Amino acid sequence: KAGVTQTPRYLIKTRGQQVTLSCSPISGHRSVSWYQQTPGQGLQFLFEYFSETQRNKGNFPGRFSGRQFSNSRSEMNVSTLELGDSALYLCASSPFQGNNSPLHFGNGTRLTVT
Amino acid sequence: GQNIDQPTEMTATEGAIVQINCTYQTSGFNGLFWYQQHAGEAPTFLSYNVLDGLEEKGRFSSFLSRSKGYSYLLLKELQMKDSASYLCAVRDNSGNTPLVFGKGTRLSVIA
Repeated sequence: KAGVTQTPRYLIKTRGQQVTLSCSPISGHRSVSWYQQTPGQGLQFLFEYFSETQRNKGNFPGRFSGRQFSNSRSEMNVSTLELGDSALYLCASSPFQGNNSPLHFGNGTRLTVT
Repeated sequence: GQNIDQPTEMTATEGAIVQINCTYQTSGFNGLFWYQQHAGEAPTFLSYNVLDGLEEKGRFSSFLSRSKGYSYLLLKELQMKDSASYLCAVRDNSGNTPLVFGKGTRLSVIA
């Protein structure tokens, strides 16, 4: 079974631009979560989607948004990029929302904002 | 809210045993996870505890005490490839809240 796939792997943008990141979950997994990882803060929760609905949202500004499609694939968008948005963005999937099966992570998208 | 604490860095010798501690404060509790993350790679699941006690899985074991809000990950017969960050994550008892991660412990295994 293929793992969680995130594209692109690396991205360089300038301040003020916007970016869209993509995540394809493991086949059959319906829950997708997004995390931002930085050296100082560790993994910070962004969103969780299940059945095309946002079920949870972390403490990030409205510039961060996301969605989930009917095939469970998910995208997140960051508008008006700031230098502080430079981070590794990780997507994780699980079969259901809120249960205790572990999250399966993709390799992430490394975003650099200059 | 949730507060999860882990040591920032640890160093241990190849072949030795190391214990990585995690303390948490949550409004409830519905499970604790340990993940391993090598530099530049995705976090991978190691263990899950929801009841008090020790869960053993090969060279890795994880312990939980719910009354103390405490867990540890025990790594035996350390190998160089065990050099990685180890992340503790907790889900509270509402069941539908997201998994919250500690900042991770970077373990360096030296010869």
